[in-house]
Amino acid sequence: QQQVKQSPQSLIVQKGGIPIINCAYENTAFDYFPWYQQFPGKGPALLIAIRPDVSEKKEGRFTISFNKSAKQFSLHIMDSQPGDSATYFCAARTETSGSRLTFGEGTQLTVNP
Amino acid sequence: DSGVTQTPKHLITATGQRVTLRCSPRSGDLSVYWYQQSLDQGLQFLIQYYNGEERAKGNILERFSAQQFPDLHSELNLSSLELGDSALYFCASSVTGWNSYEQYFGPGTRLTVT
Repeated sequence: QQQVKQSPQSLIVQKGGIPIINCAYENTAFDYFPWYQQFPGKGPALLIAIRPDVSEKKEGRFTISFNKSAKQFSLHIMDSQPGDSATYFCAARTETSGSRLTFGEGTQLTVNP
Repeated sequence: DSGVTQTPKHLITATGQRVTLRCSPRSGDLSVYWYQQSLDQGLQFLIQYYNGEERAKGNILERFSAQQFPDLHSELNLSSLELGDSALYFCASSVTGWNSYEQYFGPGTRLTVT
């Protein structure tokens, strides 16, 4: 019940395209859903996050869509650039579990020029 | 730069050995989390400390232990190392351990067990 399922495993888009990465969860106690971006050899960097009382959040070119009833959330990257090529992880946390993050499996995004 | 520092960056050691990984949280953050990233297991939570006290435990092996010191830096001790312990180990920090949402990750320590 602690799992977060992420898809697709990998994604290739052209520059300017809108890659969409999806995540699904089962545990309704999750109350915070961040997305992390990781470049090779680096630590995950917090990109954007959402709470379940909001259906959408935008920060620059990054948008999270959240569907509480379906227990799903997704990351959209507008006007994607080659510099966005990285691995993206969704995650979720519950306060009752000490704020630990449960991560999805990751999506390797490649944006071709 | 997240403000979280980890040393060493790389560590190569032999099976059966013991190593210590070090983490300094962002200034002002009281909570430290340790995660392991491997190809087969992904990013897995190991353990969390808040202001020196253990707060939560994940799938951490008995051969692994951690502590957080009065100056809030943390160390992860890995002993009786096995080949399967080879992984990236990340430390993250947050302001508190309870209603704290944002976790900031360090650059990681790459452990190779030969």
